[in-house]
Amino acid sequence: DIQLTQSPSSLSASVGDRVTITCRASQSMSNFLHWYQQKPGKAPNLLIYAASSLQSGVPSRFSGSTSGTDFSLTISSLQPEDFAVYYCQQSYNTPYTFGQGTKLEI
Amino acid sequence: EVQLVESGGGLIQPGGSLRLSCAASGFSLSNSYMNWVRQAPGKGLEWVSIIYNSGTASYADSVRGRFTISRDDSKNTLYLQMNSLRAEDTAVYYCASGFNWLDPWGQGTPVSVSS
Repeated sequence: DIQLTQSPSSLSASVGDRVTITCRASQSMSNFLHWYQQKPGKAPNLLIYAASSLQSGVPSRFSGSTSGTDFSLTISSLQPEDFAVYYCQQSYNTPYTFGQGTKLEI
Repeated sequence: EVQLVESGGGLIQPGGSLRLSCAASGFSLSNSYMNWVRQAPGKGLEWVSIIYNSGTASYADSVRGRFTISRDDSKNTLYLQMNSLRAEDTAVYYCASGFNWLDPWGQGTPVSVSS
């Protein structure tokens, strides 16, 4: 199974900050990596698919990039509604796996 | 509007069975890849199963042999039959559409396995 390790596990930031969350895969998997945002009591919401493609309706302050087996989610200027938990997910093979999550806090 | 609505969750004793449903609207399940993903209380996301448009399925090791994913195209509904339930199966269960990335998701249905 492909293991995904997110860092950091939690992050304190302020409105207007630029933040980056990293997801490291245990093996090469091309761009089969996707990012989700989850707010308390809600289902996850797709932000970025195929490592760097912005899902329709998602603000352009969210972006994704990749370097080998390291994938990054960047929020260019934090807004109050961005404080949530973020997960990466791989679809290179089954079982699909998720990172452990990164909690973004004020 | 594309929408997924889960139902069927509840409190069940260890060893019991439960069937979850996921009703789809705005698109046809027969042409789609559908997944179940669960989230234990206070924990992260765990992928459970996928059913391909061909009808074949794949499972996480933790549920293989106990859970069965299926769909009824006439009702446009996805199912998860859960047998031999264990305490560690306690979670909110989400259905989600997609072969690679998962979108959209339903709102989730809670399952609690306890005596």
